[in-house]
Amino acid sequence: DSGVTQTPKHLITATGQRVTLRCSPRSGDLSVYWYQQSLDQGLQFLIQYYNGEERAKGNILERFSAQQFPDLHSELNLSSLELGDSALYFCASSVGNTEQYFGPGTRLTVT
Amino acid sequence: AQSVTQPDIHITVSEGASLELRCNYSYGATPYLFWYVQSPGQGLQLLLKYFSGDTLVQGIKGFEAEFKRSQSSFNLRKPSVHWSDAAEYFCAVGLTGGGNKLTFGTGTQLKVEL
Repeated sequence: DSGVTQTPKHLITATGQRVTLRCSPRSGDLSVYWYQQSLDQGLQFLIQYYNGEERAKGNILERFSAQQFPDLHSELNLSSLELGDSALYFCASSVGNTEQYFGPGTRLTVT
Repeated sequence: AQSVTQPDIHITVSEGASLELRCNYSYGATPYLFWYVQSPGQGLQLLLKYFSGDTLVQGIKGFEAEFKRSQSSFNLRKPSVHWSDAAEYFCAVGLTGGGNKLTFGTGTQLKVEL
């Protein structure tokens, strides 16, 4: 158990819908990262937050957004969902620029 | 931009045999290097990391990796594989400044024959 929690574990929704994925980092970790894992794209970095501020952005679609709250938990919002958004979404956390610990992931299925 | 290559998509070894998984990276400076393991339906577990210093690093579950700057490689090794090591292994590189995003290789699927 990495200490990073993610909810829900599974999510099934229809195209065009909006979903919110939630992540709680390890105690004391200020950085939260979101990654997407799909069969065709592999593991891709989406976005990083550090202590509530956006720190780095990767291949995140404009339909996707994220935020980190004062209690350091983070949410990833995915809207206007398409079939191609079906993937495993991982959250990771770290203390500064150190190793990242990953949560168990949320498996999103868009039908 | 940094990149990571794991040339072996699948590897099969017999239980008790030694293992080496290859990883090559492309990055302008000395990166942070990591190996993660993912079991089916699970998240990514950190096996080991290299930041600086001794180029041979020890990790959990009996794994080790060696950083070779001249070859831009960070290969993962284990002297004797156990059936429970069957999983997918990912090499990753992180930036040494600013944000800390990880760039992952495509992964190597390890199968262990009993």
